[in-house]
Amino acid sequence: EPEVTQTPSHQVTQMGQEVILRCVPISNHLYFYWYRQILGQKVEFLVSFYNNEISEKSEIFDDQFSVERPDGSNFTLKIRSTKLEDSAMYFCASSEYRDREKLFFGSGTQLSVL
Amino acid sequence: LAKTTQPISMDSYEGQEVNITCSHNNIATNDYITWYQQFPSQGPRFIIQGYKTKVTNEVASLFIPADRKSSTLSLPRVSLSDTAVYYCLVALHYGNNRLAFGKGNQVVVIP
Repeated sequence: EPEVTQTPSHQVTQMGQEVILRCVPISNHLYFYWYRQILGQKVEFLVSFYNNEISEKSEIFDDQFSVERPDGSNFTLKIRSTKLEDSAMYFCASSEYRDREKLFFGSGTQLSVL
Repeated sequence: LAKTTQPISMDSYEGQEVNITCSHNNIATNDYITWYQQFPSQGPRFIIQGYKTKVTNEVASLFIPADRKSSTLSLPRVSLSDTAVYYCLVALHYGNNRLAFGKGNQVVVIP
């Protein structure tokens, strides 16, 4: 079964540093997403991306966050200046255009900001 | 987006059938009901989706009454590996760009 892959699985960074989380969505999917989950809390929507632009974003996705599809396979989430409260598991997901309730999630990147 | 309400947690013994009910009183005409499963330290995984009546796949069954104000996910003969958080989501079909997860239902399967 095709899967979404995310790298790295763990990322430790110092407060104020920039981090880039990487994802390879399923190849024939057209919608891409980032979600995050703080330990013990619910899965929170950050952003959706289609046709090389942001489709929707949540209030969490402020100016410190950006997404990019630099080539035909990768999808990245950049946090410009990390804060302690950015520590969370970040999940990338992708879906087909017409079946957007069926998301395929990656196994996540655990980000720890010290 | 229609709000969903699920019990916070439930325990079940191995081999039993587990039924998880979700309330969605303000579901809209074009909304579909979708269930996800999440194991610890993993991303959510799609289980099943339906609009009305009953849907069954190799993992679970989904029962939706005629008024669609609730739905029940049924897991037959659970095993220890079914211990997970189960999420009920209600969202516009073919037009949703931000699927929202609630707190979910923690199901613990006991030997």
